[in-house]
Amino acid sequence: QVQLQESGPGLVKPSETLSLTCTVSGGSISSYYWSWIRQPAGKGLEWIGRIYTSGSTNYNPSLKSRVTMSVDTSKNQFSLKLSSVTAADTAVYYCARGAGHCSGGSCFDYWGQGTLVTVSS
Amino acid sequence: AIRMTQSPSSFSASTGDRVTITCRASQGISSYLAWYQQKPGKAPKLLIYAASTLQGGVPSRFSGSGSGTDFTLTISCLQSEDFATYYCQQYYSYPLTFGGGTKVEIK
Repeated sequence: QVQLQESGPGLVKPSETLSLTCTVSGGSISSYYWSWIRQPAGKGLEWIGRIYTSGSTNYNPSLKSRVTMSVDTSKNQFSLKLSSVTAADTAVYYCARGAGHCSGGSCFDYWGQGTLVTVSS
Repeated sequence: AIRMTQSPSSFSASTGDRVTITCRASQGISSYLAWYQQKPGKAPKLLIYAASTLQGGVPSRFSGSGSGTDFTLTISCLQSEDFATYYCQQYYSYPLTFGGGTKVEIK
């Protein structure tokens, strides 16, 4: 059974960089698309972007200037960096796997439990 | 970006009811639509993809229909474990976008 686990600081200061890592267990990270999705408290879901195991990426244009994703296949991990954060970036951040049976791996069949990141001084 | 609009945003229902949730895309997305269920404090769970294909392990009381711009999620006989928030998501084009959610509450 594939499992995903987010890790990283739960508190980030304004203007600094949010960094999260997602560790995949129970299966290989290879040959899948891996996404980050966030959800502010009491609100809906926002797709941040995704990375393929080759390293190719697609980012949400609304965040593109601040987002960097990377993948480390040797560790079965992928990561998110979001720079110049503000209070508006406070949210639960999820990592998720792109389902092989969805076109382009663009729906999500496995999710991490989510990690709350608060932006505050 | 394609805007996904769900209706209603919330409603109350009773166990055993047949419920329908609607999702409308701001432009045609063929059948590139998924539905998710989210319970409080939990990650979303994929229910349906390609507008009408049930994800493995999902009970058959869930069904999806539609193509183009208008889609529906139907729960044929609401169970206690189905009280949750439901989201649609289009994967026709980037950025991938979700609807605002429909919360199904106990009457």
